[in-house]
Amino acid sequence: QLQLQESGPGLVKPSETLSLTCTVSGGSISSSRFYWGWIRQPPGKGLEWIGSIFYSGNTYYNPSLKSRVTISVDSSKNQFSLRLSSVTAADTALYYCARQGGATDYFDYWGQGTLVTVSS
Amino acid sequence: DIQMTQSPSSVSASVGDRVTITCRASQGISSWLAWYQQKPGRAPKLLIYAASSLQSGVPSRFSGSGSGTDFTLTISSLQPEDFATYYCQQANSFPLTFGGGTKVQIK
Repeated sequence: QLQLQESGPGLVKPSETLSLTCTVSGGSISSSRFYWGWIRQPPGKGLEWIGSIFYSGNTYYNPSLKSRVTISVDSSKNQFSLRLSSVTAADTALYYCARQGGATDYFDYWGQGTLVTVSS
Repeated sequence: DIQMTQSPSSVSASVGDRVTITCRASQGISSWLAWYQQKPGRAPKLLIYAASSLQSGVPSRFSGSGSGTDFTLTISSLQPEDFATYYCQQANSFPLTFGGGTKVQIK
């Protein structure tokens, strides 16, 4: 059974960089059938797609965040990572990683999510 | 960006009721639509993809329909475990976007 697990600091200071890693188990991140994505959800609010990456390194980003986002992949560790720079309180959210169908762009497996709070 | 608008934002219903949730896209997305269920403190769960295809393991009381700009999610007979928030998501083009959510509450 495929599992995804987010990890990283739960507290980030304003203007600093948020860094999260998603570890995939029970399957290979190098599958040509899937992308791997990040989605966030501010407390009590809806879902926002941040961006996605293919095992080859090809990426798609949400234009609203593109100037601050970098998603990378480490196939040797079966992990992919998110970096979001110059964070503000508006970036406080539950951050999810998820598997995304390569030909369909639906998210069929999700991590449990990790709460990141931006505060000094 | 394609905007996804869900209605209603919340609905109160009883066990056994038929519940219908609507999602409207700001432009045509063919059948590139998914529905997710999210319970408090949990990650979203994929219920329906390609507008009407049931994800493996999802009970048959859930169904989806529509194409173009107008879509519906129907729960034919609401069960206690179905009280949750439901989101639609378009997969027609990047950036991928979600609806604002519909909370199904106990009447």
